[in-house]
Amino acid sequence: AQKITQTQPGMFVQEKEAVTLDCTYDTSDPSYGLFWYKQPSSGEMIFLIYQGSYDQQNATEGRYSLNFQKARKSANLVISASQLGDSAMYFCAMREEGGGGATNKLIFGTGTLLAVQP
Amino acid sequence: SQTIHQWPATLVQPVGSPLSLECTVEGTSNPNLYWYRQAAGRGLQLLFYSVGIGQISSEVPQNLSASRPQDRQFILSSKKLLLSDSGFYLCAWSPGLAGKETQYFGPGTRLLVL
Repeated sequence: AQKITQTQPGMFVQEKEAVTLDCTYDTSDPSYGLFWYKQPSSGEMIFLIYQGSYDQQNATEGRYSLNFQKARKSANLVISASQLGDSAMYFCAMREEGGGGATNKLIFGTGTLLAVQP
Repeated sequence: SQTIHQWPATLVQPVGSPLSLECTVEGTSNPNLYWYRQAAGRGLQLLFYSVGIGQISSEVPQNLSASRPQDRQFILSSKKLLLSDSGFYLCAWSPGLAGKETQYFGPGTRLLVL
């Protein structure tokens, strides 16, 4: 069965420092997608970054990068130069195949609460 | 650009009352639509998804139902709410094309059942 594991319920980071949020996944499907979302206190889920299982390079989006280690089945999110506005809940998710992938169902981890300290 | 709306933003309902949450998407056609629930301090659980008008798939057995009367409208309903239905309900959409997997979420509805 497909599963996403985020082992860090909460983390602190100093402003302007980098932080890594861990995510491991389990799937037997050779084709899958990995996502990170940010959920601030307002509740809205904000898409941050996507990595496809066949992508050769790690995905990057501004200050966000995804450290994709396929053999280890890990997809850690790295946030560089943390800002106070980065304080939020962060969710790792995996796209589930099934039916050729047309439904694009996502399986989410339990999240990591990041607190950026001034 | 595409936008997704949900209403109401917040809802307090008594146990046993009916429920209707609405989600609409603008700026796209034939989207895949999704309803998720997030219990307090937990991750998201997929409740329903739809790949087209009138096509609904249920992921979790429960007293909730979903309908898609129009291409860009997705409704979550219940005839009788339970205390356990309290939570944060998020609607999401993704392009209805293979390989376009990213889901984009609406602002959510906070439901409290008393």
